[in-house]
Amino acid sequence: DTAVSQTPKYLVTQMGNDKSIKCEQNLGHDTMYWYKQDSKKFLKIMFSYNNKELIINETVPNRFSPKSPDKAHLNLHINSLELGDSAVYFCASSQDLQNNQPQHFGDGTRLSIL
Amino acid sequence: QQQVKQSPQSLIVQKGGISIINCAYENTAFDYFPWYQQFPGKGPALLIAIRPDVSEKKEGRFTISFNKSAKQFSLHIMDSQPGDSATYFCAASPNTGNQFYFGTGTSLTVIP
Repeated sequence: DTAVSQTPKYLVTQMGNDKSIKCEQNLGHDTMYWYKQDSKKFLKIMFSYNNKELIINETVPNRFSPKSPDKAHLNLHINSLELGDSAVYFCASSQDLQNNQPQHFGDGTRLSIL
Repeated sequence: QQQVKQSPQSLIVQKGGISIINCAYENTAFDYFPWYQQFPGKGPALLIAIRPDVSEKKEGRFTISFNKSAKQFSLHIMDSQPGDSATYFCAASPNTGNQFYFGTGTSLTVIP
């Protein structure tokens, strides 16, 4: 069973469109995250949620809106997609907010904006 | 501003050799330092981690060396194998919350 699963794996769309990426974890973790990995493989946190509550919101354009319907799911909705949004987006989860808890990553969603 | 600096950007090592990746940080609030391994098409996976109260941690062929005074830590991969070819990220996390700051990654290639 996949611990952290993201869908879709690939997303190709036109500039200006709205799209969503879904993430689910079956580890029973309390905390979930969204990261963006750019073309140079730099990995930067975007958001984190703990028990459905927003904890971290880095300086991300407000076109990006995370939603956590329950603690096993954290979806990412992106409005008015721009060329610079092209990247690989990773969802991750950890047991809780303690900093020594390992983060478990999904396999990523590669978003390409045409 | 890059919170964790990582070098080298890429590394090529012969099979059986030692791979060494270095990281440095400035924020003294960091107190947890994990290393993640990422294969193409996959997400990063935790490899090994250390807290600053010890200077070294070893798990199999992987060792973290930690120098608190210099604010530097490194990953040593002994007897490197072609299967170790991947991108390696160091990271650091402060003692409040679980926000990780990742290094820029090192692409390791182990030549048979």
